[in-house]
Amino acid sequence: QEQLVESGGGVVQPGRSLRLSCVASGFTFNKYGMHWVRQAPGRGLEWVALIWYDGSNKNYMNAVKGRVTISRDNSKNTLYLQMNSVRDEDTAVYYCARDRGLRGVYGIAVWGQGTTVAVSS
Amino acid sequence: DIQMTQSPSSLSASVGDRVTITCRASQGINNYLAWFQQKPGKAPKSLIFGASSLESGVSSKFSGSGFGTDFTLTISSLQPEDIATYYCQQYNSYPWTFGQGTKVEIK
Repeated sequence: QEQLVESGGGVVQPGRSLRLSCVASGFTFNKYGMHWVRQAPGRGLEWVALIWYDGSNKNYMNAVKGRVTISRDNSKNTLYLQMNSVRDEDTAVYYCARDRGLRGVYGIAVWGQGTTVAVSS
Repeated sequence: DIQMTQSPSSLSASVGDRVTITCRASQGINNYLAWFQQKPGKAPKSLIFGASSLESGVSSKFSGSGFGTDFTLTISSLQPEDIATYYCQQYNSYPWTFGQGTKVEIK
């Protein structure tokens, strides 16, 4: 059974850093592109970032460029999202999601259950 | 960025009704269109990809159609377990973008 389990969320002060993790199981992790998608309270879904199967290419939404880094460790079946200089508008549930292909061009097939980030002083 | 506009924003229908949700892209996206279902407090679930291909294990009461800029999601016979918010999403080009969602309720 394909599964994604996120962790690392919590309450963080504005301007501080946080790293989210997503552990994959039930599929061959290094054969798929991976995404982060977020959802602010009471709002819709917002795509955040993509990383290719081998980590060689990354793409980000404009609002997080320069503050957020997506990475992966294929030896640990784990996806990461390093969030720096967090802002109030980063408050959201963050979902890890698996693409259908290697390079993130075939759409999302599998979703994690989400981890909540709350930016608050 | 490509804007995705769903209509209606919410709808109320009776059990057994046929329900249709529309999604329009601000520019052509071929058939790179997905539909997701999100129940309250839960993660999204993939329903349809490639505008009309049903995700494995998803009920055949869900169907999708469209190409280019105009797309639809149809639920053939609404059931209580279909109560959710439905989102369309384009993956033709980055940044990927979602519609604002359509909340489906039982009348």
